[in-house]
Amino acid sequence: KAGVTQTPRYLIKTRGQQVTLSCSPISGHRSVSWYQQTPGQGLQFLFEYFSETQRNKGNFPGRFSGRQFSNSRSEMNVSTLELGDSALYLCASSTGLAGGIADTQYFGPGTRLTVL
Amino acid sequence: AQTVTQSQPEMSVQEAETVTLSCTYDTSESDYYLFWYKQPPSRQMILVIRQEAYKQQNATENRFSVNFQKAAKSFSLKISDSQLGDAAMYFCAYRNSGTYKYIFGTGTRLKVLA
Repeated sequence: KAGVTQTPRYLIKTRGQQVTLSCSPISGHRSVSWYQQTPGQGLQFLFEYFSETQRNKGNFPGRFSGRQFSNSRSEMNVSTLELGDSALYLCASSTGLAGGIADTQYFGPGTRLTVL
Repeated sequence: AQTVTQSQPEMSVQEAETVTLSCTYDTSESDYYLFWYKQPPSRQMILVIRQEAYKQQNATENRFSVNFQKAAKSFSLKISDSQLGDAAMYFCAYRNSGTYKYIFGTGTRLKVLA
């Protein structure tokens, strides 16, 4: 089974621009979660999507948004980029059905975003 | 709100030796799950081991085992017979039962010395 894939792997943008990151989950997984990883803040939960609906949300400003398509692929968008948005963005997928321990998240390789 | 604390930013271990990484958490919930993830320099986060809070028996996966102390809210990871490939960042994570919001610790960087 193919793992979680993320595109692009690297991205360089300038302040004020917007960016869209993509995540394809493991086949059969319907839940996709997004995380921001920085050296100072560690891994911070952004949001989780299940069946095209946002089910959980972290404490990030509205500039961070996402969506999920009917094939469970998900995109994350950041508008009006700030220098502090430079980070590794990780997505993770799970079945999202039962909530039990077997429904564990599996991570993609991440997208490294640099904002200049 | 739940929190996860990893108090050791960095640790070193000699190849073939045993090392224990610490993790404590804070929650008022009784039904939850705990995880250890490994992130090698290639950045792919990999699940190492997981534990259900209602199970008293400590989880074991080959050379990896945990010491789960529910009352103390402690969840340490023991790596036996350390190998060079074990060098990575290790993250402890918490999740309430029935939710999909994981809370991660800040990580411990493990160096394995040849």
